[in-house]
Amino acid sequence: DAKTTQPPSMDCAEGRAANLPCNHSTISGNEYVYWYRQIHSQGPQYIIHGLKNNETNEMASLIITEDRKSSTLILPHATLRDTAVYYCIVSVGNQFYFGTGTSLTVIP
Amino acid sequence: GAVVSQHPSWVICKSGTSVKIECRSLDFQATTMFWYRQFPKQSLMLMATSNEGSKATYEQGVEKDKFLINHASLTLSTLTVTSAHPEDSSFYICSARIWLSRTNTEAFFGQGTRLTVV
Repeated sequence: DAKTTQPPSMDCAEGRAANLPCNHSTISGNEYVYWYRQIHSQGPQYIIHGLKNNETNEMASLIITEDRKSSTLILPHATLRDTAVYYCIVSVGNQFYFGTGTSLTVIP
Repeated sequence: GAVVSQHPSWVICKSGTSVKIECRSLDFQATTMFWYRQFPKQSLMLMATSNEGSKATYEQGVEKDKFLINHASLTLSTLTVTSAHPEDSSFYICSARIWLSRTNTEAFFGQGTRLTVV
């Protein structure tokens, strides 16, 4: 079962930062936080992942709270192509269990 | 990033027939692959874990005799939907992992296969 909770939907203005929250209060010490997104009728696309420290790559930034019970994915300058369902996943052993995700709509 | 390829991208079959879906890791070897199913407007549901050279591990509620998984090589896993029925119509997605360290891993997903049973 998924160990994360996310808001079902969010809107963001094009060009603004999109901040997507995720709660994972039962995360254990060696579990990583992963973010993927899925555009309609495609397979999930990897965005970023982290353990304790904040991470940044060319797509996004991941901010993990000090107690690791929550995290935020930041898309610094959202574009219309960022409209997708975003999934926050906590790695449970070898498997990835998907929660319901956040449907992000970027508005022109 | 690493590439995982599925084939076919979509398939239509008649009730009672079997359909095979292939999942390949194109530029890395995967001892473990994962199969998911996704119904419209729902999240991905893990069906089974495919292990190279051994039996697959199925999630609770998934019929192993209906969804046959074979992982004969380090780059290929297949899912066969046997005696398909309309309720098996769904989006099937495979995934393979790369281990960056003992605990740090990245998962890559195929583009999915849309199965329609008529």
